[in-house]
Amino acid sequence: EAEVAQSPRYKITEKSQAVAFWCDPISGHATLYWYRQILGQGPELLVQFQDESVVDDSQLPKDRFSAERLKGVDSTLKIQPAELGDSAMYLCASSLTYADNEQFFGPGTRLTVL
Amino acid sequence: KQEVTQIPAALSVPEGENLVLNCSFTDSAIYNLQWFRQDPGKGLTSLLLIQSSQREQTSGRLNASLDKSSGRSTLYIAASQPGDSATYLCAVFTGTASKLTFGTGTRLQVTL
Repeated sequence: EAEVAQSPRYKITEKSQAVAFWCDPISGHATLYWYRQILGQGPELLVQFQDESVVDDSQLPKDRFSAERLKGVDSTLKIQPAELGDSAMYLCASSLTYADNEQFFGPGTRLTVL
Repeated sequence: KQEVTQIPAALSVPEGENLVLNCSFTDSAIYNLQWFRQDPGKGLTSLLLIQSSQREQTSGRLNASLDKSSGRSTLYIAASQPGDSATYLCAVFTGTASKLTFGTGTRLQVTL
């Protein structure tokens, strides 16, 4: 069964360091999403791609966060420098098309910033 | 701005009971509503997707209903089992924002 892959599963870093997360969506899915989930809350959208183009990054803290999907397949989310408040689960999801809005989620990356 | 509320925040039931989880949303102009399951420290597993034109969806022991006009959805779990213990999240896809908005979830524990 096709799944969304993410790595690493866990990341511990010190504040001011740089971190990067990787996501490989389900093959053939054009739309890719990055969410952040703080403990005890629902996920919140950070950035949405349609193929290699950013559709929505209105909630992405652009002073420290960046995201890319250069070939329209896998994607990288980067934080530099990391802050204590960035500790959260980072979830990647994909959907077949922009209009086909059933989203499938990966296992997530748990980030702890010390 | 779309807001999604889930009640109760936590629920503990003995094995075998039928139970209902509630979800409400403020903007009825939605494309669909999706129910997810999340185990501790894990990603989200999609359980049911209800399109805005549908009233309900069923999968095994799960039944989800949608009343778009009143901004409500329920997830019914029949004959609960300890393996159903998890957090259940509902999310609505709002066309104007073109994104999923999540509730904060209901943490379910099914005891032996």
